[in-house]
Amino acid sequence: DAGITQSPRHKVTETGTPVTLRCHQTENHRYMYWYRQDPGHGLRLIHYSYGVKDTDKGEVSDGYSVSRSKTEDFLLTLESATSSQTSVYFCAISESSGQLDTQYFGPGTRLTVL
Amino acid sequence: GQNIDQPTEMTATEGAIVQINCTYQTSGFNGLFWYQQHAGEAPTFLSYNVLDGLEEKGRFSSFLSRSKGYSYLLLKELQMKDSASYLCAVKIGANNLFFGTGTRLTVIP
Repeated sequence: DAGITQSPRHKVTETGTPVTLRCHQTENHRYMYWYRQDPGHGLRLIHYSYGVKDTDKGEVSDGYSVSRSKTEDFLLTLESATSSQTSVYFCAISESSGQLDTQYFGPGTRLTVL
Repeated sequence: GQNIDQPTEMTATEGAIVQINCTYQTSGFNGLFWYQQHAGEAPTFLSYNVLDGLEEKGRFSSFLSRSKGYSYLLLKELQMKDSASYLCAVKIGANNLFFGTGTRLTVIP
């Protein structure tokens, strides 16, 4: 257990509304990630952070923004949700052990955009 | 671009051995990861290979051939609880992972 929580765990919203998902970690990890997982696509990286206020885009960043004002919290915002953003969203942290950096995942948020 | 290929589905019998293959073509390679994901749950880390060869961890082993862009995950003495999706992921750059679409394994009695 890497001490990662996500909130909310489930959300249903309407097209055009803003949505913010929260990822919280308790172990002071520097790297944090947001992925989405869809059938036929596997896990795809949306954005990642390598420190407070330091973020970068991933493979599928269009329509998403992130913020990291504290080490422990990484927020993912959909400014105006669309049905194509219906997905399961996973947050992850990267934990180092010697030469190995391993990503550990939070429990996920299931988002439905109607 | 990046590409990872895995079989979509596999079925195996309880107590048997199953091998899940993964081939990759990526720009950059800093290691290969295998994750297990039960339905409705988060992926969990299984194994990591950065050098060629076999890494063994109990009932699970993972093999890597960097020259062939190939890896496999070997599961021995299959149990019903091993029914899950198995995700192959390549580490690109310092910290980013690129995932395949996963292999759904069904273990039957």
